[in-house]
Amino acid sequence: GAVVSQHPSRVICKSGTSVKIECRSLDFQATTMFWYRQFPKQSLMLMATSNEGSKATYEQGVEKDKFLINHASLTLSTLTVTSAHPEDSSFYICSAFKGQSKTDTQYFGPGTRLTVL
Amino acid sequence: GESVGLHLPTLSVQEGDNSIINCAYSNSASDYFIWYKQESGKGPQFIIDIRSNMDKRQGQRVTVLLNKTVKHLSLQIAATQPGDSAVYFCAENPITGSGNTGKLIFGQGTTLQVKP
Repeated sequence: GAVVSQHPSRVICKSGTSVKIECRSLDFQATTMFWYRQFPKQSLMLMATSNEGSKATYEQGVEKDKFLINHASLTLSTLTVTSAHPEDSSFYICSAFKGQSKTDTQYFGPGTRLTVL
Repeated sequence: GESVGLHLPTLSVQEGDNSIINCAYSNSASDYFIWYKQESGKGPQFIIDIRSNMDKRQGQRVTVLLNKTVKHLSLQIAATQPGDSAVYFCAENPITGSGNTGKLIFGQGTTLQVKP
């Protein structure tokens, strides 16, 4: 159990376009979903925390108008990179959190490789 | 973000040897710790976890040690295999008065290279 999927797995787009990434928890309901970005040979950087039905909480330095997060249901969250530029090229990873017990943890998706030309 | 954007240190070991990967965590209030394995181009994969009321936990070929006094976590991999080659991250989950929010603070990670 606890499978999280992401779509697409890889996307290449032109500068100035917007890209939407979907994150789904396939076999459980997630009270919270998290979005991370990861540059090559670096750790995961938390971008935002998303609770179903409420506005996302963004980490310091992350532009909320550039990285739009929608969490419409307990199994789906989307991240839209608006007006993407080459510096937005990165590996974006989502995770889903059940939140049912004290030791529940995040289950990660396989990641989405975004390349902006 | 709360993780550190530094280049990852590398640990190189011979196949069959034991590996020890270390991590220093930051928050003394953290109650729960997890080790993740990340292979190239993939998302992090859960390996083993430990709560703060324990100092050691064993899994299959892996052992996690927790030293709360110095805020140190280690992952030991026995009889390291080529398939163990990956980046390993520790993560801490601060349990606050609001309960378990699920938020994780990631360490910088260590690249494990297994030489045949």
